[in-house]
Amino acid sequence: AIQMTQSPSSLSASVGDRVTITCRASQGIRDDLGWHQQKPGRAPKLLIYSASTLQSGVPSRFSGSGSGTDFTLTISSLQPEDFATYYCLQDYEYPRTFGQGTKVELK
Amino acid sequence: EVQLLESGGGLVQPGGSLRLSCAGSGFTFSNYAMSWVRQAPGKGLEWVSTISGSGDNGDSTYYADSVRGRLTISRDNSKSTLYLQMNSLRAEDTAIYYCARDFGDSGYYPIDHWGQGTLVTVSS
Repeated sequence: AIQMTQSPSSLSASVGDRVTITCRASQGIRDDLGWHQQKPGRAPKLLIYSASTLQSGVPSRFSGSGSGTDFTLTISSLQPEDFATYYCLQDYEYPRTFGQGTKVELK
Repeated sequence: EVQLLESGGGLVQPGGSLRLSCAGSGFTFSNYAMSWVRQAPGKGLEWVSTISGSGDNGDSTYYADSVRGRLTISRDNSKSTLYLQMNSLRAEDTAIYYCARDFGDSGYYPIDHWGQGTLVTVSS
């Protein structure tokens, strides 16, 4: 199975900060990667698919990049509603695998 | 608006069975592959299973190794409903189970919508 390694596992940031989360695949997955946001007690929500395509309705401060094995989710200016846990998910092959998550907390 | 509503969760003893359902609305259910994803208490997300949509004959199924042979995914397009039959349940199956829709029908598209989840607790 493809292993997805996210870093960091958690980070503390302030409103207005630029935040970057990375996800590394154990083998090449083209651009078959999505980023999902989960707030406490809530279902996940898709932010980015195909590594860099913004899902409809998602604010433009979110962006994704990468291809092959290395991927990045960037929040250009962190807002109060962005404090959550973020997961990458590869859909290149089965079994689908998630990263372990990155919790973004208020500094 | 796409809506996914799970039901059927609850408390079950180890070795027992349970069937989860997920009713889809706001889209043509048969045209989309559907998945189950779970989250154990305090843990991350774990993909469980996917079934393809009607454009792919709807008969392709995929499973995580941890559930293969015990959990079975199926769908009834006439009822716009996805199922997960759970047999030989173990304590480690305790989790919130989310229903999710893929972008397309083949099972090789990203997940784009999630349900609110249903809690399964396996305990004596």
